Amino acid sequence: AQRVTQPEKLLSVFKGAPVELKCNYSYSGSPELFWYVQYSRQRLQLLLRHISRESIKGFTADLNKGETSFHLKKPFAQEEDSAMYYCALGYSSASKIIFGSGTRLSIRP
Amino acid sequence: GAVVSQHPSWVICKSGTSVKIECRSLDFQATTMFWYRQFPKQSLMLMATSNEGSKATYEQGVEKDKFLINHASLTLSTLTVTSAHPEDSSFYICSARAGGPYNEQFFGPGTRLTVL
Repeated sequence: AQRVTQPEKLLSVFKGAPVELKCNYSYSGSPELFWYVQYSRQRLQLLLRHISRESIKGFTADLNKGETSFHLKKPFAQEEDSAMYYCALGYSSASKIIFGSGTRLSIRP
Repeated sequence: GAVVSQHPSWVICKSGTSVKIECRSLDFQATTMFWYRQFPKQSLMLMATSNEGSKATYEQGVEKDKFLINHASLTLSTLTVTSAHPEDSSFYICSARAGGPYNEQFFGPGTRLTVL
């Protein structure tokens, strides 16, 4: 069965420090992976998708099929990065998405 | 682009009444919409997949007779919580798939339901 695991509930780093939010997945098919972000009192919004191989707000994520991981990274954290981050796996022809439990990122000044 | 709205943003109702929540895609047509439930400090749990013009597909453990979903047009899906009870109190979030090659979804702001 498909599963998304985010092992850290809370990650706290200082401003300017590197950030890595971990995500591992389990899926027998070809995975489609996303990172969604939810800022305080705002809706969930797409941060990036693995297919695009893009960098958004300084964040990048590389799909590692061997390790079944899709970790989110940013070299220098900023205070405005504080938010809830969800790793998500898209699957099935019905376009479903399953979410990980989320990691709250807190950037200390 | 790709904005999804929900109405109402919050609702309080008495136990035993029914509540309807609307989800609209404002600037695109959504053949598929999704309804999620989010408990405090927890992740989103998919309840059902709503396809325009056909019956919704419910996830295992979700009562289809309690959570009625209607997707009558390409821009509107509704979730009706029937005979609501306090345990139905939650944050309900809808999303819409914009089509194209990706499975990404665009999310509404959510509706907080409180059943007294």
